[in-house]
Amino acid sequence: SYELTQPPSVSVSPGQTARITCSGDALPKQYAYWYQQKSGQAPVLVIYKGTERPSGIPERFSGSTSGTTVTLTISGVQAEDEGDYYCQSADNSGTYVVFGGGTKLTVL
Amino acid sequence: EVQLVESGGVVVQPGGSLRLSCAASGFTYDDYTMHWVRQAPGKGLEWVSLISWDGGSTSYADSVKGRFTISRDNRKNSLYLQMNSLRIEDTALYYCAKIATSSAFDIWGQGTMVTVSS
Repeated sequence: SYELTQPPSVSVSPGQTARITCSGDALPKQYAYWYQQKSGQAPVLVIYKGTERPSGIPERFSGSTSGTTVTLTISGVQAEDEGDYYCQSADNSGTYVVFGGGTKLTVL
Repeated sequence: EVQLVESGGVVVQPGGSLRLSCAASGFTYDDYTMHWVRQAPGKGLEWVSLISWDGGSTSYADSVKGRFTISRDNRKNSLYLQMNSLRIEDTALYYCAKIATSSAFDIWGQGTMVTVSS
């Protein structure tokens, strides 16, 4: 079955830049989406179609793509950005939705 | 207000059955594909199933195929998940989620907890 691979954890100090990667063979063909999940809450969409930011999401959140890897970048990280981040996409056929394993962002 | 509210989660024995419901409001429900996504305690998100706007197309994760059935009632703005032959590994918080035109999950419910235990 198709998998998306994320690092388990990323740690940064406030004000620094956090980069979270997501790798998958179908990513050149399928869009990627990023969700933030804070403890005890439902996920919230922060990036769609690889690089687009929904209304209400701070400009410090951005997405990029390069081949089989997509990256979520958080510039000027704030304490409130701490949480789990998940990438999501689909397999090559577009039939099955897949989530990455999640990355825990810790703000030191 | 756009809202999804899940219900039906309980404690059930292995091999048992359960039906989850999700009530939608604040948007034109029958315009959108709907999904179920689950999250085991302390674990990541796992996609479970989807159903097209008219119910004509469904898809399932391999882990639930043949045991779970997704359905919807557009007259009642409701989504369902019939869960049969439940296993301990089905224990999770089950979210219903709406797909936006961008194909992203833009609206999530608060989840309903299913615990499979003897």
